[in-house]
Amino acid sequence: DAGITQSPRHKVTETGTPVTLRCHQTENHRYMYWYRQDPGHGLRLIHYSYGVKDTDKGEVSDGYSVSRSKTEDFLLTLESATSSQTSVYFCAIGFRETTGELFFGEGSRLTVL
Amino acid sequence: EDQVTQSPEALRLQEGESSSLNCSYTVSGLRGLFWYRQDPGKGPEFLFTLYSAGEEKEKERLKATLTKKESFLHITAPKPEDSATYLCAFSTDSWGKLQFGAGTQVVVTP
Repeated sequence: DAGITQSPRHKVTETGTPVTLRCHQTENHRYMYWYRQDPGHGLRLIHYSYGVKDTDKGEVSDGYSVSRSKTEDFLLTLESATSSQTSVYFCAIGFRETTGELFFGEGSRLTVL
Repeated sequence: EDQVTQSPEALRLQEGESSSLNCSYTVSGLRGLFWYRQDPGKGPEFLFTLYSAGEEKEKERLKATLTKKESFLHITAPKPEDSATYLCAFSTDSWGKLQFGAGTQVVVTP
């Protein structure tokens, strides 16, 4: 099984503070993704990466930035958190490129007060 | 605009009572239609990819089918461990860029 570790798993912060979520994989997969999940909206793609220093925007990228300096790490940064960014954030890797199968991490629950 | 709608929002079943979940889609250039299962507090878990109308895939008590407008996830003789939220998603671009439906929450009681 693929190994994905998200950290932190839970975080409470205040409006206006910066927040960085980390996704670490042990499988050397090329493709990595950040999704957010909110009630009534399902999962929505924030940013994705096709390799080191190769990232692009997804459906809901405003207010978020990402970095990937190593194959195994994909960081999601909220430069100045807002209450609308309260959500559960999931990292995923492209587990099998021929089938489109994604393997998701356990999620990071972020609350912005 | 490409979109996917899942119904019903919630489904309560008795153990052994078969049923179907619906995923209606309006997509130009469908590359793949996906089904995932999500348990509370966990990330989604991949179940199936369907590529073209008429395709069917099975896994244990689950069977996914695809037409040009809908996909169905059939649950045959469900057990309590089949309780989860089932998510439908599609891709029109690169594989990992998925658009998800809101999901169907299934509860199977003994």
